[in-house]
Amino acid sequence: NAGVMQNPRHLVRRRGQEARLRCSPMKGHSHVYWYRQLPEEGLKFMVYLQKENIIDESGMPKERFSAEFPKEGPSILRIQQVVRGDSAAYFCASSQQGREETQYFGPGTRLLVL
Amino acid sequence: GESVGLHLPTLSVQEGDNSIINCAYSNSASDYFIWYKQESGKGPQFIIDIRSNMDKRQGQRVTVLLNKTVKHLSLQIAATQPGDSAVYFCAENPALGGQNFVFGPGTRLSVLP
Repeated sequence: NAGVMQNPRHLVRRRGQEARLRCSPMKGHSHVYWYRQLPEEGLKFMVYLQKENIIDESGMPKERFSAEFPKEGPSILRIQQVVRGDSAAYFCASSQQGREETQYFGPGTRLLVL
Repeated sequence: GESVGLHLPTLSVQEGDNSIINCAYSNSASDYFIWYKQESGKGPQFIIDIRSNMDKRQGQRVTVLLNKTVKHLSLQIAATQPGDSAVYFCAENPALGGQNFVFGPGTRLSVLP
């Protein structure tokens, strides 16, 4: 009964490097969401994907950030040329149906940019 | 901007007492609400949900109340335990189709021995 899986749990990058965060949704879920959380703050929506499709990326920064959810394999959130301001916890959630349904969260990836 | 907010950023309660965490929302079209619990270093965990056609829903030791008239949501935890210490978030989903959940900033619940 595996839940949402994310890896790595912790990621350290130097400024200018690339960060790749992975998310495997719950079994039977085909809808994936990425959120960012700064310390002591709430969750900010970034992007919503279904298999092979980006449905809503309205919360995604226009530059350096991209996301995909291929037909096979996990969803990936990619941050190019990271800056210190990218340091945050990134959470993935999944749902069985669309975003009007309950979302279940993974444990998150904590990104630290030095 | 944010349409979901919380009245109290922190709440301290004595072990065994009942806890009430409040949430105000501004979108009267929202029709689905969820409470999440987030322990330190972990992802948000689903606690309980409620749809707008209900005003109360009970789970194990938790009750969610929805007052659509004043756009207010609350989470009640009975006989609060040390394991209940966490940050609690409310989230709303506007019934406009194609909208994302909006999360409040969270309330930190501290259970005192």
